[in-house]
Amino acid sequence: AQKITQTQPGMFVQEKEAVTLDCTYDTSDPSYGLFWYKQPSSGEMIFLIYQGSYDQQNATEGRYSLNFQKARKSANLVISASQLGDSAMYFCAMRDRFDDMRFGAGTRLTVKP
Amino acid sequence: NAGVTQTPKFRVLKTGQSMTLLCAQDMNHEYMYWYRQDPGMGLRLIHYSVGEGTTAKGEVPDGYNVSRLKKQNFLLGLESAAPSQTSVYFCASSYPTRMDRDGEQYFGPGTRLTVT
Repeated sequence: AQKITQTQPGMFVQEKEAVTLDCTYDTSDPSYGLFWYKQPSSGEMIFLIYQGSYDQQNATEGRYSLNFQKARKSANLVISASQLGDSAMYFCAMRDRFDDMRFGAGTRLTVKP
Repeated sequence: NAGVTQTPKFRVLKTGQSMTLLCAQDMNHEYMYWYRQDPGMGLRLIHYSVGEGTTAKGEVPDGYNVSRLKKQNFLLGLESAAPSQTSVYFCASSYPTRMDRDGEQYFGPGTRLTVT
């Protein structure tokens, strides 16, 4: 069974600085997809970025980028130029051909002014 | 489009009571899911459906039942609620393509359930 690990329960970052949220995964399937979601205090889940296992380049979506290191099975989310509105829970998730979406425990990011 | 909606938003049950949570989506998605979210544990998949009339167990199915009689609706039932089922429940839906950007799941706003 696949497993997602987010080792940082909480992170702090100064406004306008960059921050990296860690995610490692484990799967025996060579074909898989990695997702990051944001959950603000209001509770909704917001999709941020996707990386496929066969994608040659790291995914980027605006201020979000994914540092994909396939050999290390790591898919870290990088947020550049942090804003106060980035304060939220962030979840890493993965799906492969044998298991549906599984989520990590999440990282709570706090952006300081 | 309303996206994914959930009814109710909040509910308090007594141990042993039953209830049904309703999820509806208007995006014509084939796949629908029910998750529970507990502090420090992320989201855990309860049951899911890959199409009308089909359901399957996820990671934590015990104590729950589901039905998908219509493509746009996915119901989650608790037959005899227990305090361990106190949680926030999320419904989600997606297209059937699993391994690309279209595999993104669209989430409802959540239902906060307390079992006393």
